[in-house]
Amino acid sequence: AQKVTQAQTEISVVEKEDVTLDCVYETRDTTYYLFWYKQPPSGELVFLIRRNSFDEQNEISGRYSWNFQKSTSSFNFTITASQVVDSAVYFCALKGPGGGSQGNLIFGKGTKLSVKP
Amino acid sequence: DGGITQSPKYLFRKEGQNVTLSCEQNLNHDAMYWYRQDPGQGLRLIYYSQIVNDFQKGDIAEGYSVSREKKESFPLTVTSAQKNPTAFYLCASSIVGRGSRSGNTIYFGEGSWLTVV
Repeated sequence: AQKVTQAQTEISVVEKEDVTLDCVYETRDTTYYLFWYKQPPSGELVFLIRRNSFDEQNEISGRYSWNFQKSTSSFNFTITASQVVDSAVYFCALKGPGGGSQGNLIFGKGTKLSVKP
Repeated sequence: DGGITQSPKYLFRKEGQNVTLSCEQNLNHDAMYWYRQDPGQGLRLIYYSQIVNDFQKGDIAEGYSVSREKKESFPLTVTSAQKNPTAFYLCASSIVGRGSRSGNTIYFGEGSWLTVV
């Protein structure tokens, strides 16, 4: 069975601190895809990144970076020099190969990040 | 602007009443989805459709119905059979991929809040 665990329910940091959001996944598929979404208070889910299981290269986009490690089934997300606008709920999600229900997104329960000025 | 439009943003339903949430996309995506989000929870799939005039049940389809008469539109009806409909509903869409392209990103609308009064 597929499963995504985000053990951190809530994190609170002060602006300019670095923060890492953890994501651990379980799957029996050899091909799969991992995603991070941001949900600000307005409610919309904003796509941040997609990672294929066969590409373990870490990625950096501005203040955001992602560390994908298949050996530990983890796909952690780090925000460097956090800002108040980063305050949101962040979801990690897993998708299997194929379309339809087999390829459905399985979401973690999310981590609520509060960045205080 | 290209994107996914959901309406209404807020909706109140009386006991025993059916209500319909609208979802329209102009991204030319073949696949559309409906997810439900409860407080402090991740998203759960209600229904999805990969092509016009065809749709499939997700994990929590009971008490809901959908139609897909047009590529751009995927309305969700919350029926009186849904015993606990108060939640945040998110519509999404994506390209339909096969094989190595099956990890296509799913994009989300801004969501609709449904409250039973």
